[in-house]
Amino acid sequence: NAGVTQTPKFRVLKTGQSMTLLCAQDMNHEYMYWYRQDPGMGLRLIHYSVGEGTTAKGEVPDGYNVSRLKKQNFLLGLESAAPSQTSVYFCASSLSLSDGRHGYTFGSGTRLTVV
Amino acid sequence: AQSVTQPDIHITVSEGASLELRCNYSYGATPYLFWYVQSPGQGLQLLLKYFSGDTLVQGIKGFEAEFKRSQSSFNLRKPSVHWSDAAEYFCAVGAQQGGKLIFGQGTELSVKP
Repeated sequence: NAGVTQTPKFRVLKTGQSMTLLCAQDMNHEYMYWYRQDPGMGLRLIHYSVGEGTTAKGEVPDGYNVSRLKKQNFLLGLESAAPSQTSVYFCASSLSLSDGRHGYTFGSGTRLTVV
Repeated sequence: AQSVTQPDIHITVSEGASLELRCNYSYGATPYLFWYVQSPGQGLQLLLKYFSGDTLVQGIKGFEAEFKRSQSSFNLRKPSVHWSDAAEYFCAVGAQQGGKLIFGQGTELSVKP
């Protein structure tokens, strides 16, 4: 029972490089989310998706792009990494936006450092 | 708009002592409410949730929380803290009519031996 799997777990990028973070869920959830976590800032929503082929901006979308080509996968891209994007990135999924019965299921995170 | 406030950024308790972490929310109707725990280097794990019914909810690891509508609060409690409870705790609120979960800033719990 894998739940939500994020790859990679760690990455160091140079400023200006690009990369893609992969999130995969095996629970047939419609909704998926990308958050970043920074000290003192809690969790901030970057982008989310309410179904295959759809994406929407969250609280802090600038500098990121996302795609949801398959229901089980949600990709987060950084086209030109900046030191301000050094963070821990979490993916989550849910049955509905609020999902009062189950809440969100989170991956274990990707720690990204941009130098 | 929904919002969540966790007034305490960092709390230190002695092992064996009781614990209460505060969470206040702003929402016009009855919300969905959650507590998550994040151990160092890990993702967030659901501790407990409230969506209807009994206002005192039990969760995993011996935690409980009480929904108090009059105070717009959903405080997390544990009668006796263990060293393994040291972690960051997040409160979250969701609208029953739809809308994403909104997370608080988190409370970091340290446990003294």
